[in-house]
Amino acid sequence: DAKTTQPPSMDCAEGRAANLPCNHSTISGNEYVYWYRQIHSQGPQYIIHGLKNNETNEMASLIITEDRKSSTLILPHATLRDTAVYYCIVRVRGDYKLSFGAGTTVTVRA
Amino acid sequence: DGGITQSPKYLFRKEGQNVTLSCEQNLNHDAMYWYRQDPGQGLRLIYYSQIVNDFQKGDIAEGYSVSREKKESFPLTVTSAQKNPTAFYLCASSIAWVEFMNTEAFFGQGTRLTVV
Repeated sequence: DAKTTQPPSMDCAEGRAANLPCNHSTISGNEYVYWYRQIHSQGPQYIIHGLKNNETNEMASLIITEDRKSSTLILPHATLRDTAVYYCIVRVRGDYKLSFGAGTTVTVRA
Repeated sequence: DGGITQSPKYLFRKEGQNVTLSCEQNLNHDAMYWYRQDPGQGLRLIYYSQIVNDFQKGDIAEGYSVSREKKESFPLTVTSAQKNPTAFYLCASSIAWVEFMNTEAFFGQGTRLTVV
């Protein structure tokens, strides 16, 4: 599996955009980038995924660099309820194994 | 409603006893997973199963056992051989990877196991 590197923590002001970086420099061409988040004491929740192109859904946007070695999750208008641990994961094609790293603890402040 | 259910939410056991955590899903998913989470840490993969009657060790399988006799069920047994069993345990499921290349995993709400 390609490993991912995320900053351990970051703060964000309520109402502002939160930009969460993730490095995955050893990613292979057929591996997808997934983002999940975990609110305290709950199960993780899927946010978004992508392969090459930028993706957007009702929760967030995912920007993947052209060389695919890094990506950024964007929460366009952070709210207090977005306070959570965010995990960036690279999924290996043909392998069911789904491994999580330490993630980034995002704290949204009023 | 479709979903993945873990029970119980809280579980207490005496040291040296085996304990089985339940995980049931009605999403018709082929793949199921068990994770362990310790305070302030990320998720660590214990076991995963791609299909009925088949499962693979994850990163921290020692002291744990699983079975996959039915598609909808993937129970985890924490044995007395697990040295530090107190933790938050999470179960997940997803559609078969090979057929659907870009599928998400759905998680249960977790079981908090305390061994005293």
